[in-house]
This record gives sequence, structure tokens and C-alpha cells, in this order.
Amino acid sequence: VQLVESGGGVVQPGGSLRLSCAASGFTFNDYTLHWVRQAPGKGLEWVSLINWDGSYTSYSDSVKGRFTISRDNMRDSLHLQMHSLTSEDTAFYYCARGTRSYDHWGQGTRVTVSS
Amino acid sequence: EIVLTQSPATVSLSPGETATLSCRASQTIDTSLAWYQQKPGQAPRLVIYDASIRATGFPARFTGRGSGTDFTLTITGLEPEDFSVYYCQQHKSWPRITFGQGTRLDIK
Repeated sequence: VQLVESGGGVVQPGGSLRLSCAASGFTFNDYTLHWVRQAPGKGLEWVSLINWDGSYTSYSDSVKGRFTISRDNMRDSLHLQMHSLTSEDTAFYYCARGTRSYDHWGQGTRVTVSS
Repeated sequence: EIVLTQSPATVSLSPGETATLSCRASQTIDTSLAWYQQKPGQAPRLVIYDASIRATGFPARFTGRGSGTDFTLTITGLEPEDFSVYYCQQHKSWPRITFGQGTRLDIK
């Protein structure tokens, strides 16, 4: 099982970024997937989830209305479109596999919101 | 929102000793609790799920207990590779999953 995030970088406040997570080694469309983030030196925060076929999504209050999670089951990939970014969104973003607990995580991609 | 409070924030122990990490939920979560280990610069790893089931790759010295609001992760006979930060996570209020703030297990 492998999850590999990409798309992180430095973005100005108010900007947008699209994160991706490429999956391999398992049947991608059997699993719910999540994004979990970790601000520098801080704990873990659940961000969003999407069910196996994309018909159900959910977001934390801190990102609702600004972030959109999606998946492409043909390409075994997960995405997080982020808009209206603020310094509060600066964090490592991990994709994680599982419905209620996460048995596999990617290595993370760093997002820095700074002018 | 279900708040998870972990204690202590930091604990310093020597190899061979026993660590007992606590996680308390602000309301009952049955056994809907997982524990993760995170080493510096790495992603978290699942240690325990459903409060007491050990995940693949973790030895029997890791034990999870509890139900309702009070949970513990006990690590007996600490090995050097066990010194990490540990987080608890609840999914009773799925999809609103929450994590504790973490306990740092340091080598004395």
C-alpha cells in the first residue's frame, strides 16, 4: 500500500492550491479516504473525507466552503482543492486510508500560506 | 464536538520501563478509539483501533484498554524505537473525527 501526496507549496493569503494523493497497492475504490493536516509543531486535525465512490463528502468547520475533496477511481487518485487560503491553513497535509481509523498514511505534503 | 484530552503532555521514562498514556473523552464514545504513533518527520502509524485491537506490525507490549470515556495505551518494556508522540482519535461522532493533543514519550 502506498499513498503519495503532491501539490504542496508556498501560496499567498487568499490564494488557491490543489493537492493530490496517488494511491497504489490496493483496490482504491474499496476505501473511504481522508485528508488530515498538522500545523507546524501541533497535533493532528481531520480536514475532509470522501466515500468510496465520491457520493458522500464531509468537511471540518474550519475548511467548509473553501476546500473541495474529490477522487478519480479510474486513476486511483484523491484530490483536495483549496481556496481562500489563510495562514491558519499552513500545515502538512496527509491523505489517509480508512473509514473510522487510518491504517495507511501518505508521507504528507507541506502547504505554507505566506506573503 | 467530542474533545479528547490526553495526559500527561510529556512523560520521560527509561528503556525497559512501562508507559501508561491516558486519553479521556468529553462524552461517551464506546470503544470508538484509535491510537497513533508519530516519529519526527514521519506520518502517524496506527497502533491500536477499536480501543484494544493491535494494528499490524506492533508487538504485544502495546496494549489498549478502555471504553466509554476513559482509555489507556500501555507500553511495557519500552524499547528505544517506542519513544515518540502518541495521539488518540475518536470516530464515535463520525464523520466529525477528532484527535487528542498528543503525549510525548521521551527517553530519560
